[in-house]
Amino acid sequence: QKEVEQDPGPLSVPEGAIVSLNCTYSNSAFQYFMWYRQYSRKGPELLMYTYSSGNKEDGRFTAQVDKSSKYISLFIRDSQPSDSATYLCAGYGGSQGNLIFGKGTKLSVKP
Amino acid sequence: GAGVSQTPSNKVTEKGKYVELRCDPISGHTALYWYRQSLGQGPEFLIYFQGTGAADDSGLPNDRFFAVRPEGSVSTLKIQRTERGDSAVYLCASSLSGTRGDEQFFGPGTRLTVL
Repeated sequence: QKEVEQDPGPLSVPEGAIVSLNCTYSNSAFQYFMWYRQYSRKGPELLMYTYSSGNKEDGRFTAQVDKSSKYISLFIRDSQPSDSATYLCAGYGGSQGNLIFGKGTKLSVKP
Repeated sequence: GAGVSQTPSNKVTEKGKYVELRCDPISGHTALYWYRQSLGQGPEFLIYFQGTGAADDSGLPNDRFFAVRPEGSVSTLKIQRTERGDSAVYLCASSLSGTRGDEQFFGPGTRLTVL
């Protein structure tokens, strides 16, 4: 079992839809959780960052962590075509801070 | 300001050849990470530098892979006797201090193709 599991999709939604992206993780030591967005042929860029359990909101994006069920979610409201990208969830593993990523979910928002 | 840069952006080589991939981190960032991203997968950790020293190289797949950061800024990932399975995008990231939770900024990657 991989430490971070993520459904690779692809996921296709119409513009304006609410998008829900999810990951599960197995390492109980994870405390920091990240969502990165990666456009085609680009490096990942940090979207959201949460510590421990709870919600965090930033504009149209909301990140949720439920440590009791080891479940990480990202919600995108009023999705836009420019949101079309691969979304990667990650947790911090090891003692030195390397990230452990899921496979990524490819999202396409159709105009 | 300038982000993380990587050169070359693309590298095509033949099986058995030696390649070097370069990473220029954000100025002032002491921590530098190398990851490898295969098609359809998330990035996988290779090695982490804190300053000039490799603090964690547990992700290097075998002894054909080696990385250096001699002056604590630019890093080079070296792959000897390349194999077709080495084909992937090699990503470099840097962070200010390397503490857990520190934001890692990624470069655009080097796309390596081994024929």
